[in-house]
Amino acid sequence: EDQVTQSPEALRLQEGESSSLNCSYTVSGLRGLFWYRQDPGKGPEFLFTLYSAGEEKEKERLKATLTKKESFLHITAPKPEDSATYLCAVRGGSNYKLTFGKGTLLTVNP
Amino acid sequence: DTEVTQTPKHLVMGMTNKKSLKCEQHMGHRAMYWYKQKAKKPPELMFVYSYEKLSINESVPSRFSPECPNSSLLNLHLHALQPEDSALYLCASSLRQSTNEKLFFGSGTQLSVL
Repeated sequence: EDQVTQSPEALRLQEGESSSLNCSYTVSGLRGLFWYRQDPGKGPEFLFTLYSAGEEKEKERLKATLTKKESFLHITAPKPEDSATYLCAVRGGSNYKLTFGKGTLLTVNP
Repeated sequence: DTEVTQTPKHLVMGMTNKKSLKCEQHMGHRAMYWYKQKAKKPPELMFVYSYEKLSINESVPSRFSPECPNSSLLNLHLHALQPEDSALYLCASSLRQSTNEKLFFGSGTQLSVL
């Protein structure tokens, strides 16, 4: 069974204070690792898909990286508008199901 | 158009009511999904439609009844719900049901069952 563990559960940063969120996964034959951002009461918003170890993707202040066992979401010089829950999810092998982690609640204070 | 549109945004219903949630996308996606999300929990898959046919039912109680009238529309019919069914119901779509496709989510319907 695919498993995803995200850490920390919650992270509070000052504006401009860079940090990283972790997503550890166990999957049989990774087909894709997905990062989503979710604001309260809204649906998840797609950020990145990573397919193989060593892959990196960037979007504005966010950069996602992937190894064989974990993925990191690096946030550089965050702003208050980056405050949200960040969800990591995996799809493996022939499994149709997208398995989500519990998320990291990020709060960026001005 | 890269949106998945869900209506209504909020719904309050009694345990004897019948209501429906609606979802629409015009991205040409042929896989559509219903997820349920409780507060501070990750989304949980309920149903998957592929090319308008029910592909996956994650052992969801029969008081939830999905319907896919055409390739752009997905409904979730609700009947005799319980208070524990209160949650955010999310619709999503992807180009196909293949395992490396990203999902696009709607903003959800916040459902309260009294």
